[in-house]
Amino acid sequence: SQKIEQNSEALNIQEGKTATLTCNYTNYSPAYLQWYRQDPGRGPVFLLLIRENEKEKRKERLKVTFDTTLKQSLFHITASQPADSATYLCALEAGTASKLTFGTGTRLQVTL
Amino acid sequence: ETGVTQSPTHLIKTRGQQVTLRCSSQSGHNTVSWYQQALGQGPQFIFQYYREEKNGRGNFPPRFSGLQFPNYSSELNVNALELDDSALYLCASSSSPGGTDTQYFGPGTRLTVL
Repeated sequence: SQKIEQNSEALNIQEGKTATLTCNYTNYSPAYLQWYRQDPGRGPVFLLLIRENEKEKRKERLKVTFDTTLKQSLFHITASQPADSATYLCALEAGTASKLTFGTGTRLQVTL
Repeated sequence: ETGVTQSPTHLIKTRGQQVTLRCSSQSGHNTVSWYQQALGQGPQFIFQYYREEKNGRGNFPPRFSGLQFPNYSSELNVNALELDDSALYLCASSSSPGGTDTQYFGPGTRLTVL
C-alpha cells in the first residue's frame, strides 16, 4: 500500500544551524511533492512545491530536493531561527490531482 | 492569514449526534477541499468540491457528506458521530482543482465527540 514516512521524533537544533527534514515514500509515483508548515492549533501553510522533473527548489532560506529514484525528498532550512519552530508536513498527489496525501509531519524545535 | 475562515472554532458533541462545519473560501477561489487531522497525524483527505460539484473523495464512510454553495463556501456534515471522529477538521481553498495550485488552509474546527 502507499506510504509516506516522516521522522516522527522531534528534531532539535541550535539557532543558526541547518535543519534537514526527510520525507520518504513507497508505492507512489507522484508528479509533485509539497511541503507545509503547521503551527499548533492552526492550519498548514504552503511553503514549496517541487515537480518530479526538478531536482531542487529554493525559496529564501528554504531548499527542497526530490529524488524519484530514492523516493525521497529532503527539506532544508538554513540559518535556522527560533521562529522556524513548527511541524513540517510533506504531501504527495495521490493519483488524482484533487487529492493530497500528507505525512505525519516532523516537529522542529530551534533553540537559542 | 489566508482569508479562509471556518466556523465554529470548537465544538463538543456526543456519540450519535450530527454536526455541520462551515468553510468560507478565499475570494476568487472555486475549489474547497476538506481534511480530517487526528492528534499527532497528518491531514487526511475527505473530499473536494469544485464549482458546486464533488470532485474526488477519500476513504471516509458515507456519513461524511458535504456541499458547496454558489458563492463557493462549503459545508461538511457528519452523521452518527463516533468517538474516533474527534479531530481537527480543516478546509482548504484553491483557485482550481489542479493539484499544483496552492491550497490555502483555514484555522480548522476542533471537534470533540464524547
